Amino acid sequence: DSGVTQTPKHLITATGQRVTLRCSPRSGDLSVYWYQQSLDQGLQFLIQYYNGEERAKGNILERFSAQQFPDLHSELNLSSLELGDSALYFCASSASGSTANEQFFGPGTRLTVL
Amino acid sequence: GENVEQHPSTLSVQEGDSAVIKCTYSDSASNYFPWYKQELGKGSQLIIDIRSNVGEKKDQRIAVTLNKTAKHFSLHITETQPEDSAVYFCAASIYNNDMRFGAGTRLTVKP
Repeated sequence: DSGVTQTPKHLITATGQRVTLRCSPRSGDLSVYWYQQSLDQGLQFLIQYYNGEERAKGNILERFSAQQFPDLHSELNLSSLELGDSALYFCASSASGSTANEQFFGPGTRLTVL
Repeated sequence: GENVEQHPSTLSVQEGDSAVIKCTYSDSASNYFPWYKQELGKGSQLIIDIRSNVGEKKDQRIAVTLNKTAKHFSLHITETQPEDSAVYFCAASIYNNDMRFGAGTRLTVKP
């Protein structure tokens, strides 16, 4: 158990809808990262937050947004969903803002868009 | 931006044999290279990492080598066991501010 929790575990929705994925980092970790993993694909970095502020942005679509709250949990909002958004979404956390350190991954949220 | 390529995409070995997975990166400024193991239904877990000031690192049956000149690094698993079966991801971090992952290698260890 990495100490990172993600909810929900599974999510099934329709095209055009909007969903929110939630992540709670390990106790004491200030950074939260979001990744998308499509079928047989690697982990695509979406965005990083550090202590409430956006730190780095990867291949995140404009339809997607995220935020980190004062208690350090984070939410990833996906809107106007398309079939191609079906994927595993992982959250990871680390103690510092630097990516040159171990990240602890949550179990992921499996999103299915029908 | 940084681009990380990983080979092979699938690897099947007999129990007890060695497994080698290779990754190349594009940006010479990359300075941190972790390897993650992803088991079915679970999040990825760091198994070993190496920084750019080191050429090789070993932890029991797992080792990583880094060739900065050629911009490639490799994961070596010796005496493989069925529980080593998983998807392995390499990654490269540049300027402590960007982490790029390879596409993953599905390793199967046959008993």
